[in-house]
Amino acid sequence: AQKVTQAQTEISVVEKEDVTLDCVYETRDTTYYLFWYKQPPSGELVFLIRRNSFDEQNEISGRYSWNFQKSTSSFNFTITASQVVDSAVYFCALSVPNTGFQKLVFGTGTRLLVSP
Amino acid sequence: NAGVTQTPKFRVLKTGQSMTLLCAQDMNHEYMYWYRQDPGMGLRLIHYSVGEGTTAKGEVPDGYNVSRLKKQNFLLGLESAAPSQTSVYFCASSYHTNTEAFFGQGTRLTVV
Repeated sequence: AQKVTQAQTEISVVEKEDVTLDCVYETRDTTYYLFWYKQPPSGELVFLIRRNSFDEQNEISGRYSWNFQKSTSSFNFTITASQVVDSAVYFCALSVPNTGFQKLVFGTGTRLLVSP
Repeated sequence: NAGVTQTPKFRVLKTGQSMTLLCAQDMNHEYMYWYRQDPGMGLRLIHYSVGEGTTAKGEVPDGYNVSRLKKQNFLLGLESAAPSQTSVYFCASSYHTNTEAFFGQGTRLTVV
């Protein structure tokens, strides 16, 4: 079965703290794709990153970084020096395109609250 | 660019009423999805489509029907609304399942 688990329901930090959002996925397939989306208070869903299963290099984009580890089936997201504007719900998602599981499945999300 | 457009944005239904949510995308995407978002449940897939004329069930399909008669449109129908269908509904589209999905603004549906 394909599944995404975001065990952290809500995280509260103070501005400028670093914070890591955890994502654990389950799939038996060797080819799959992982995504992170952000949902700010306004409600829309914003794409952040896509990673395929063959690329385990970590990625950094400004204050955002992602750590993909196949050995632990994790794709964690770190925000460095958090800001109030980072307050949002963050979703991790999984797709496995080659097996007929042609759909995008999401975790339950982690609400991040960044206070001044 | 319009991207993915959902109509309506808000709706209140009485139990037993029917309605159709419309999703339109102008990106020529093959894949389209309907999700519902409930507190603590994240985004759950209702139905999806891998191309014009095709549909498939997701995780929570009961009480909903869909149609994809045209590539750019994906309709979600509620034949007999129930209070348990009170939710925020999101439509999304993507070129493929391994590419970025684009989401509509959401439809807040309340069934009383």
